[in-house]
Amino acid sequence: AQSVTQLDSQVPVFEEAPVELRCNYSSSVSVYLFWYVQYPNQGLQLLLKYLSGSTLVESINGFEAEFNKSQTSFHLRKPSVHISDTAEYFCAVRLNTGNQFYFGTGTSLTVIP
Amino acid sequence: NAGVTQTPKFQVLKTGQSMTLQCAQDMNHEYMSWYRQDPGMGLRLIHYSVGAGITDQGEVPNGYNVSRSTTEDFPLRLLSAAPSQTSVYFCASSSLDSFNQPQHFGDGTRLSIL
Repeated sequence: AQSVTQLDSQVPVFEEAPVELRCNYSSSVSVYLFWYVQYPNQGLQLLLKYLSGSTLVESINGFEAEFNKSQTSFHLRKPSVHISDTAEYFCAVRLNTGNQFYFGTGTSLTVIP
Repeated sequence: NAGVTQTPKFQVLKTGQSMTLQCAQDMNHEYMSWYRQDPGMGLRLIHYSVGAGITDQGEVPNGYNVSRSTTEDFPLRLLSAAPSQTSVYFCASSSLDSFNQPQHFGDGTRLSIL
């Protein structure tokens, strides 16, 4: 069975500090990995995705995520957060054999001034 | 460049009432889905469709019906609303050209059942 685990439900961090949001998955087949961000009262927006190739992927707003196949992880990092990064972050996987997406339960990132 | 459009954005219903949440996408995506989002539970899949005339149940289908008569539209029907269906509902779509395509989400419908 497939599952996605986001280990931290809430992460408070001070402005300009680094942050890591953790995501682990389980699957018996290859997967495609995604991070989505949800700002208050909005829908989910794609932040970045890992499809193949380099295990480190970057977004346009300074976030990056590293795919670790041996640890089945896809942790999201940012070296210096801003107030505007306060949002809910969802990790998701899609199997290379099916249509469905599997989402984690989300991590609420709060950046403290 | 509308993407996925959901209507209404907010709705209050009384227990037992019925309503339809609308979802439309203009990207010619084959795959469409409905999720509900509740605090601490993330996104739970209600129903999904891989093309016109084809629908299937997700994780929490009870109390909801769907149909897919066109590629663009995927309405979600609540036949007899219950307080447990108070939630935020998201529609999403994706291409099936390749499994590496992400989902595109609407802005959500916030539904309260009294």
